[in-house]
Amino acid sequence: EVQLVESGGGLVQPGGSLRLSCAASGFTFSPYGMNWVRQAPGKGLEWLSYIRGNSDTIYYADSVEGRFTVSRDNAKNSLYLQMNSLRTDDTALYYCARDRANSDMDVWGKGTTVTVSS
Amino acid sequence: EIVLTQSPATLSLSPGERATLSCRASQSISISLAWYQQKPGQAPRLLIYDASNRATGIPARFSGSGSGTDFTLTISSLEPEDFAVYYCQHRNNWRGTFGQGTKVEI
Repeated sequence: EVQLVESGGGLVQPGGSLRLSCAASGFTFSPYGMNWVRQAPGKGLEWLSYIRGNSDTIYYADSVEGRFTVSRDNAKNSLYLQMNSLRTDDTALYYCARDRANSDMDVWGKGTTVTVSS
Repeated sequence: EIVLTQSPATLSLSPGERATLSCRASQSISISLAWYQQKPGQAPRLLIYDASNRATGIPARFSGSGSGTDFTLTISSLEPEDFAVYYCQHRNNWRGTFGQGTKVEI
């Protein structure tokens, strides 16, 4: 079964850091681009970041550029999101999603919750 | 930056009725548009890609159309499990953007 499982969420104070992980299984991970998408409570979807299969192409939304860093370890079938300088408006459910043909996202994890609060 | 605007924000319909959801792009995006369904407490699910292609396992009652700036998701006859929020999405120069969503409610 094709599956993505996020982990690493939790409660963190403003200005703090957190590292999210996404474990992939059921498919060959390395050729696929991967995305991070978040959803604030009661709000819509916000695309955050994309990383190509070989990590040679990385993009960020303006809202997180310079604070968040995406990476991957193909040997471990894992995707990561290092989040620094967290703000209260970063509070959200964070999803990882497999990229389909550089266009859309065909496999999603269930998400991990990040709460930024003092 | 391309902006996607969905309408209406909420669509109130009954099972068996036809649902028509709109997504308008701020500039032409050819057919590079996807639609997702999200039910409460669940992750989004890809329904339609490249404006009109159903993703794997998506029932035939879901169809997408449009090109350029105007796109439509149609659900021909609503089933109880179709009441959800629907998002359109486009990627431009590797960066993704979503519409704000349309809630289809009973």
